[in-house]
Amino acid sequence: EDQVTQSPEALRLQEGESSSLNCSYTVSGLRGLFWYRQDPGKGPEFLFTLYSAGEEKEKERLKATLTKKESFLHITAPKPEDSATYLCAVSSGSARQLTFGSGTQLTVLP
Amino acid sequence: NAGVTQTPKFQVLKTGQSMTLQCAQDMNHEYMSWYRQDPGMGLRLIHYSVGAGITDQGEVPNGYNVSRSTTEDFPLRLLSAAPSQTSVYFCASSPRQAFEQFFGPGTRLTVL
Repeated sequence: EDQVTQSPEALRLQEGESSSLNCSYTVSGLRGLFWYRQDPGKGPEFLFTLYSAGEEKEKERLKATLTKKESFLHITAPKPEDSATYLCAVSSGSARQLTFGSGTQLTVLP
Repeated sequence: NAGVTQTPKFQVLKTGQSMTLQCAQDMNHEYMSWYRQDPGMGLRLIHYSVGAGITDQGEVPNGYNVSRSTTEDFPLRLLSAAPSQTSVYFCASSPRQAFEQFFGPGTRLTVL
């Protein structure tokens, strides 16, 4: 059974204070690891897909990295508009179903 | 493209009532799925479909039915609503050539 654990549950940063969110996973045959952003009252918004250890993806102030056991979402010089819940999910084997973590609620204070 | 659309946005039901949550996508995606999101539990898969006429159960299928008569639509039916089905429901779709899924705006359901 696939498992995804995200930490911390909540993170408060000052504007400009860089940090990282963690996603630890256990799967049998990783097909992909996905990061989503979710704003209150909205559906998850796709950010990145990572397929293999060592892979990195960047988008504006966000950078996602992947190892064989975990993924990090690095946030560089965050702004208040980066405040959201960040979700991590995995897909394994021949299935396309996603297994999600519980998310990290990020608050960036001005 | 409108992407993935869901109706209604909000719904209140009484225990035992039935209803259908609508989901449509205009991206010609083969794969569609339904998730529920509860506080502290993340998103959990209810049912999914790999194409028109093909559906299968996810992690938490009890109390829900689905059908897929067209590529565009994937309705979720609650047969006899229970308070445990109070949740936010999200529909998602994915193209054949990728694994990332694209989500709709959600339906917030309360069962009294």
